[in-house]
Amino acid sequence: EPEVTQTPSHQVTQMGQEVILRCVPISNHLYFYWYRQILGQKVEFLVSFYNNEISEKSEIFDDQFSVERPDGSNFTLKIRSTKLEDSAMYFCASSGTIGTQYFGPGTRLTVL
Amino acid sequence: GIQVEQSPPDLILQEGANSTLRCNFSDSVNNLQWFHQNPWGQLINLFYIPSGTKQNGRLSATTVATERYSLLYISSSQTTDSGVYFCAVYNQGGKLIFGQGTELSVKP
Repeated sequence: EPEVTQTPSHQVTQMGQEVILRCVPISNHLYFYWYRQILGQKVEFLVSFYNNEISEKSEIFDDQFSVERPDGSNFTLKIRSTKLEDSAMYFCASSGTIGTQYFGPGTRLTVL
Repeated sequence: GIQVEQSPPDLILQEGANSTLRCNFSDSVNNLQWFHQNPWGQLINLFYIPSGTKQNGRLSATTVATERYSLLYISSSQTTDSGVYFCAVYNQGGKLIFGQGTELSVKP
C-alpha cells in the first residue's frame, strides 16, 4: 500500500539554525500539507500546498517557515531560524482530492 | 473558526471492554476523519466518515452531520488499542482541524 514517508525521523538542532524537513507524498496525490504537534497537545495545521503554491496557511506559519516542492516527488518544510518553541512533531500529509489525508510517520524536531 | 471537542479526555479500560468516544463540532463540516495515534507518535487513519456508519473489524464510527457529532465505537478492546484517538474535521479549503483527543489506556 502506498504511504507517505518523512525524513529524518528525529532532528536535533541548535536555536537559530535552519532545518529542512523532507516528505515524499503518495505518488499520484495533488494536495500536500504540513501539520505540527507540540508534545502532549493536539495536532495543528501549518500549511496546504496545491499546484505549486500555498493554498492556505495558519498564523503559526510566519516568515520563518517556507515550503517547496523542488521536484516531482519531494515536499519540504524549511524553518529558517529555529526557536525553542519550534520543538514539536511535524507531520506531512497528502491527498488525491480534497478528501482523506494520509499522514507520514512524522519528524520529531528538538531545538536546544 | 470551527471548534472540535472530544470526550472523554481520558479513558481506562480492562481488556475486552467496549467503549464509545465522542466528537462534537461547532459548525457544518464537509467531512470528518478519525485517527489513532500510537505510542510511537504515528497517526493512523481509522475512518473517513462525512456521514452515516462505517465498520472495520472491532471498530465502527457514526457521524450525524446534521447534529454535528461523530462517535467512535471500540468493541472487545485490546492492549494494542491504547493511544490517543483524534477526531478531525475538514474546513472548506480542505485543512483538518483536530480535537484535543481522547487518551485510551487498555489494561491486560
